[in-house]
Amino acid sequence: AQTVTQSQPEMSVQEAETVTLSCTYDTSESDYYLFWYKQPPSRQMILVIRQEAYKQQNATENRFSVNFQKAAKSFSLKISDSQLGDAAMYFCAYRSNNDMRFGAGTRLTVKP
Amino acid sequence: SAVISQKPSRDICQRGTSLTIQCQVDSQVTMMFWYRQQPGQSLTLIATANQGSEATYESGFVIDKFPISRPNLTFSTLTVSNMSPEDSSIYLCSASPQGVVEFFGPGTRLTVL
Repeated sequence: AQTVTQSQPEMSVQEAETVTLSCTYDTSESDYYLFWYKQPPSRQMILVIRQEAYKQQNATENRFSVNFQKAAKSFSLKISDSQLGDAAMYFCAYRSNNDMRFGAGTRLTVKP
Repeated sequence: SAVISQKPSRDICQRGTSLTIQCQVDSQVTMMFWYRQQPGQSLTLIATANQGSEATYESGFVIDKFPISRPNLTFSTLTVSNMSPEDSSIYLCSASPQGVVEFFGPGTRLTVL
């Protein structure tokens, strides 16, 4: 079964600094998608970024970028120029066919 | 993308009663899902809501406890039946317009006394 592991239950970053959240996954599939979702206290799950496994180029969305290492099955999220509004739970997720799995989440605190 | 609304946003219920949660999508989507998120934890898939047929349940979830309806391509309901305090959770609806990205509703916070 596919599993998603986030080894950092909590992380903190100073405002305007950069932070990296880790995610590893286990799969025997060759075709899949990876996502990072953000869940602020409002509990609304918000898509931050997505990566198709067949693409070698790392996805980027403004201040958010990923480091996708397919052979190592690693998918980390880098947040640059952190803002107070980035404070939230971040979930790494894996999808193959109709199977969607989420990691346990990393709580990010942003210090002013 | 898809915009998803859920009703109610929260509720407090008595043990032994049932609650039906509604999920509305602003466009027709093939795939809709229901998740449970227990306090401080990640999301667990309850079932895939199939239009025109019975929902597909994940291991550990049964239709008698969590009946799901999907009458059309924009709407689904999840009922939490015969509730106990262990059912206190956030219940999230999601939709995947193209079978890749899932967009989520705001969730329903359920407290069972």
